Amino acid sequence: EVQLVQSGAEVKKPGESLKISCQGSGYSFTNYWIGWVRQMPGKGLEWMGIIYPGDSNPKYSPSFQGQVTISADKSISAAYLQWSSLKASDTAIYYCARRSGGANDFWGQGTLVTVSS
Amino acid sequence: DIQMTQSPSSLSASVGDRVTITCQASQDIAHHLNWYQQKPGKAPKLLIYDASKLEPGVPSKFSGSGSGTDFTFTISSLQAEDVATYYCEQYDNLGTFGGGTKVEIK
Repeated sequence: EVQLVQSGAEVKKPGESLKISCQGSGYSFTNYWIGWVRQMPGKGLEWMGIIYPGDSNPKYSPSFQGQVTISADKSISAAYLQWSSLKASDTAIYYCARRSGGANDFWGQGTLVTVSS
Repeated sequence: DIQMTQSPSSLSASVGDRVTITCQASQDIAHHLNWYQQKPGKAPKLLIYDASKLEPGVPSKFSGSGSGTDFTFTISSLQAEDVATYYCEQYDNLGTFGGGTKVEIK
């Protein structure tokens, strides 16, 4: 069974750093892209970027380039999304999803990130 | 980057009604379009990929059509369990979601 399990909710202060994770199982992790999607409170889905764990080559939406870093560790079937300096506007639910042939066919449960002073 | 304009942003229909949502791309994306359903508090679920292909296990009341810049998503007979927000997504160049359509029962 394909599963993507994300790390738990985080509460951080502005300026702090953060790295959240997405653990894949039940499939060949290195053969599928993993994407990250943001959903701010009460808002729609935003496409952030994707990474191919086989070569750890990330691609970013222009809106998120330079704002976050996407990485992967194929040895433990994990993908990551990280911030070096959080802002209140980073408060959102972040989803990872497996990309198969262009479509996000399996999704993680989401990680709620709250940034507040 | 490619912009996706989805309409309407919300709709209210009766049980049994046919519901149609449209998505327009800012440039030609061929058939590189997906449709997702998101229920409150849940992760999105893939319904349609490649503009018109039904994801395995998804009821046939859901369908998609279109190519190029104009796409349509249809629920043939709306049921209470279909209350959700629906999103289109282009994957011709990286990815972009439409703004979403919130579907409610009248």
